[in-house]
Amino acid sequence: DQQVKQNSPSLSVQEGRISILNCDYTNSMFDYFLWYKKYPAEGPTFLISISSIKDKNEDGRFTVFLNKSAKHLSLHIVPSQPGDSAVYFCAASPNSGNTPLVFGKGTRLSVIA
Amino acid sequence: SQTIHQWPATLVQPVGSPLSLECTVEGTSNPNLYWYRQAAGRGLQLLFYSVGIGQISSEVPQNLSASRPQDRQFILSSKKLLLSDSGFYLCACETGGSYEQYFGPGTRLTVT
Repeated sequence: DQQVKQNSPSLSVQEGRISILNCDYTNSMFDYFLWYKKYPAEGPTFLISISSIKDKNEDGRFTVFLNKSAKHLSLHIVPSQPGDSAVYFCAASPNSGNTPLVFGKGTRLSVIA
Repeated sequence: SQTIHQWPATLVQPVGSPLSLECTVEGTSNPNLYWYRQAAGRGLQLLFYSVGIGQISSEVPQNLSASRPQDRQFILSSKKLLLSDSGFYLCACETGGSYEQYFGPGTRLTVT
């Protein structure tokens, strides 16, 4: 049973436009959510996170929105740049420490110049 | 901040041969450590995690094993590799009760 779902395997966006990556989860015990970015042949890098007590967290061009009632979160990248082309993973945790993150399968973002 | 080292970076091994991948962490102590595998075109599959020396939890039954002989060392092993063991192996570290995991550079394993 997949507890964290990224239903879009790929997304193409023009440079300068907004990229929106979506993630749904089923476990209501998740209370912390993270986004990772991964380039080919490299380890994922932590991008941005949000606690379940918030509905929005912003860091520069990256904003994560959380809708707890819908069990849905999204990552917005504005404006999108060619260097943002990568695979983005959504992850969730039911509590802090000693519990592995649950990752989605990832969405490949292509930003076209 | 912590630094995660993995070696080798790439490895080509024949079917049936043994495997040993090493992960070491600098800049922190008492980390939780994780092994993941990303098969071609797939997501991240959690293989093992460890909350302390000698403590290993296995997520997926398979012909791989893990050991943690020291606080900041995590080893992934196999006695006999299968073709299906090919993939990109990632070590990750989590510290201080934080939610964020930080990943190493990965090892690309090709079993021929």
